[in-house]
Amino acid sequence: DTGVSQNPRHKITKRGQNVTFRCDPISEHNRLYWYRQTLGQGPEFLTYFQNEAQLEKSRLLSDRFSAERPKGSFSTLEIQRTEQGDSAMYLCASSPQGLWGNTIYFGEGSWLTVV
Amino acid sequence: RKEVEQDPGPFNVPEGATVAFNCTYSNSASQSFFWYRQDCRKEPKLLMSVYSSGNEDGRFTAQLNRASQYISLLIRDSKLSDSATYLCVVNPQTGTASKLTFGTGTRLQVTL
Repeated sequence: DTGVSQNPRHKITKRGQNVTFRCDPISEHNRLYWYRQTLGQGPEFLTYFQNEAQLEKSRLLSDRFSAERPKGSFSTLEIQRTEQGDSAMYLCASSPQGLWGNTIYFGEGSWLTVV
Repeated sequence: RKEVEQDPGPFNVPEGATVAFNCTYSNSASQSFFWYRQDCRKEPKLLMSVYSSGNEDGRFTAQLNRASQYISLLIRDSKLSDSATYLCVVNPQTGTASKLTFGTGTRLQVTL
């Protein structure tokens, strides 16, 4: 399977703990995105990388959230001191660069439940 | 005002029916438009891009009205397998896919 891969797929954590999600994009895609989706809402943009550079961050990405893509391949999203409001599906997506590269392909998502 | 607005539904239609979804967007400078489909507890998947001239893919027809900032999706001859949430998606920027803005989705339930 050469699609976007995310893990873990499900994570239950206690409030105040830190969690980290990993995303492996489609191999030839140099753009990588993180979105968050809560029940009844569409995905909301969190942040975007082109290669290893983090080019844009949403205001939704509080200082408890950090994302990295150290070698321009896989990415991690860490949430520190989790809160119940962080419970959501965290979606990673990737896309190729170029004029026609404006469709993004999502992974299956990582479900976070903070109890 | 939300950047992308959709009627959340649900739309309950019998198999074989024709159903239409509408979506409005607030940023007149938006450049690219898409419909994504999302099954329950799954990731969104691209259904089709939306072009200014309108485009069709089998039973699905998408249209864009830039003057009214309005996008539509028409599904003909609905199948049970069409039951899903349909997300209207707008890319406000040129030349990049960053910050795709999603509507809340319109839920479709096709019944026997």
